[in-house]
Amino acid sequence: AQSVAQPEDQVNVAEGNPLTVKCTYSVSGNPYLFWYVQYPNRGLQFLLKYITGDNLVKGSYGFEAEFNKSQTSFHLKKPSALVSDSALYFCAVRPLNTGFQKLVFGTGTRLLVSP
Amino acid sequence: DADVTQTPRNRITKTGKRIMLECSQTKGHDRMYWYRQDPGLGLRLIYYSFDVKDINKGEISDGYSVSRQAQAKFSLSLESAIPNQTALYFCATSDRELAAYNEQFFGPGTRLTVL
Repeated sequence: AQSVAQPEDQVNVAEGNPLTVKCTYSVSGNPYLFWYVQYPNRGLQFLLKYITGDNLVKGSYGFEAEFNKSQTSFHLKKPSALVSDSALYFCAVRPLNTGFQKLVFGTGTRLLVSP
Repeated sequence: DADVTQTPRNRITKTGKRIMLECSQTKGHDRMYWYRQDPGLGLRLIYYSFDVKDINKGEISDGYSVSRQAQAKFSLSLESAIPNQTALYFCATSDRELAAYNEQFFGPGTRLTVL
């Protein structure tokens, strides 16, 4: 069964420091991978995706993610965190072998950036 | 995302009542989805629709029904609400073109409380 794991419920980082939000997946075959962010009282917003090609994907708001096939991971990163990055982050995977290609979401990681 | 709107934004109701949550989109997308979000569980798919005549159950459809009144409108109904349906509900859309690659666009959510 396909699944996504976000092992940390919360990540705390000081403003200006690099941040990493972890995601690992378990699917059959090659997946399409996505990161979404949810700000308070808002819906999820798309950040970035990995489809194929370069393992380092750049997205919105200075975020990037690295696809690592051998470790089945797709960690979200940012070189210098901002207080405004504080939000709930979701990793999602779309397995290629499902006719519907639905999204499977992780449980979310709350990022708290302190001033 | 203002292109996907949900009404109401908040609703408190009692056990046994019928509730309808509405979703409208101006993105011109064919595909629409309903998810529920529960703390610690991420997002789970309730129903999805590829077009007006194509509606499918997701992973947690029991107790819910949907109606796709038009390409732009997708409603979720709880025929007889129960307390464990208390959750945050999201509508989402995606483009049919290269559907497997495409991100989904989310509405702001409806917070439903069933007493």
